[in-house]
Amino acid sequence: DIVMTQTPLSLSVTPGQPASISCKSSQSLLHSDGKTYLHWFLQKPGQSPHLLIYELSNRFSGVPDRFDVSGSGTDFTLKISRVEAEDVGVYYCLQTVEFPRSFGPGTKLEIK
Amino acid sequence: EVQLVESGGGLVQPGGSLRLSCAASGFVFSTSSMSWVRQAPGKGLEWLSYISPSSSPIFYADSVKGRFTISRDNAKNSLYLQINSLRAEDTAVYYCAKRGALDVWGQGTTVTVSS
Repeated sequence: DIVMTQTPLSLSVTPGQPASISCKSSQSLLHSDGKTYLHWFLQKPGQSPHLLIYELSNRFSGVPDRFDVSGSGTDFTLKISRVEAEDVGVYYCLQTVEFPRSFGPGTKLEIK
Repeated sequence: EVQLVESGGGLVQPGGSLRLSCAASGFVFSTSSMSWVRQAPGKGLEWLSYISPSSSPIFYADSVKGRFTISRDNAKNSLYLQINSLRAEDTAVYYCAKRGALDVWGQGTTVTVSS
């Protein structure tokens, strides 16, 4: 089974400053079809999770371009260029390259 | 508007059973794979199960294999999760989500297992 890890588990960021979250997988998430099945979600306080980024680097509908992803294979980074108050919550990465699917433990983003 | 609405949660005694439902609207349900994910109080997300559009294949997390059964009724635009032999550790909010990337989630339904 693929194990997903995230660092840091929490971070506190001043509005307008950048933030970076790392996600690592125990196996490559590159599928033979050429796609990388790594996705990012944000769960805002009291809400259901929602999709931010799918298949490594594609922003989901309505996601602002200050969210960006880099990486490949087993190492990935979600970057927020300028954190805003609405970005608070817990960020999760998810692999769907194989079953069972697995989430990272989550990274809690707070605003200073 | 794409919408998923879960129902069927509640308070149940250990060893009991529940059937969760997820009503889908706003998209072509019959061509969409679906999944169940849960979140225990104060914890992270746990993927539970996947069902393809045609109901085969189906996959489960090892933690629920043999106790949970996923199914769907494409004519009713509905997804189900039968949960048997409930344990305290099954206490969680249960979400349904669509497609492989889980691009839309419901609001969740709460299952509490307690005597």
